[in-house]
Amino acid sequence: ELKVEQNPLFLSMQEGKNYTIYCNYSTTSDRLYWYRQDPGKSLESLFVLLSNGAVKQEGRLMASLDTKARLSTLHITAAVHDLSATYFCAVDTSIIQGAQKLVFGQGTRLTINP
Amino acid sequence: GAGVSQSPSNKVTEKGKDVELRCDPISGHTALYWYRQSLGQGLEFLIYFQGNSAPDKSGLPSDRFSAERTGGSVSTLTIQRTQQEDSAVYLCASSLRTGRTEAFFGQGTRLTVV
Repeated sequence: ELKVEQNPLFLSMQEGKNYTIYCNYSTTSDRLYWYRQDPGKSLESLFVLLSNGAVKQEGRLMASLDTKARLSTLHITAAVHDLSATYFCAVDTSIIQGAQKLVFGQGTRLTINP
Repeated sequence: GAGVSQSPSNKVTEKGKDVELRCDPISGHTALYWYRQSLGQGLEFLIYFQGNSAPDKSGLPSDRFSAERTGGSVSTLTIQRTQQEDSAVYLCASSLRTGRTEAFFGQGTRLTVV
């Protein structure tokens, strides 16, 4: 059974600081997604990582994928309050199951304090 | 439409009643997915459709849950004889096709069983 684990699950940080959220998964996949969820809202797609070594950046967020280590990271640079949300990674199982079924991590609740 | 549309946004129902949740995917998307988000279980896959057929129903928690899709478009998730543990946010997503294409999520239906 595919397991996806994020850490930390809760993160409180100050504005201006840098931090990294980690996403480990237990079996083969070459496609991983990062989503953002604000309270009471749906999931907003942030990044799609398509291959080993993929790195994508958007504003203060940067995501990377290492398929050999089965690890993805979401790095936050110089955090601002607007980035407060819950962040999920999700692993695409299509390479092993032949049909897309996302398996999600538990989510990381990020709070950025002034 | 512009995005995945779900209705109702909120539903409160009495234990034992049946409920129907509706999902209208992005126009042209052939793949449709249902997920459930609850406090104790995180985000769980329920079922996916390719066209009108459902090749993977493995996530449906019991035989009280069923889903159908007609005309390759709108899908309905039905929960019979609702129980309190069915309370959750039910999220629908669609993608251009199954396997290796990005899924876009609707805003969800918050179901509360009292």
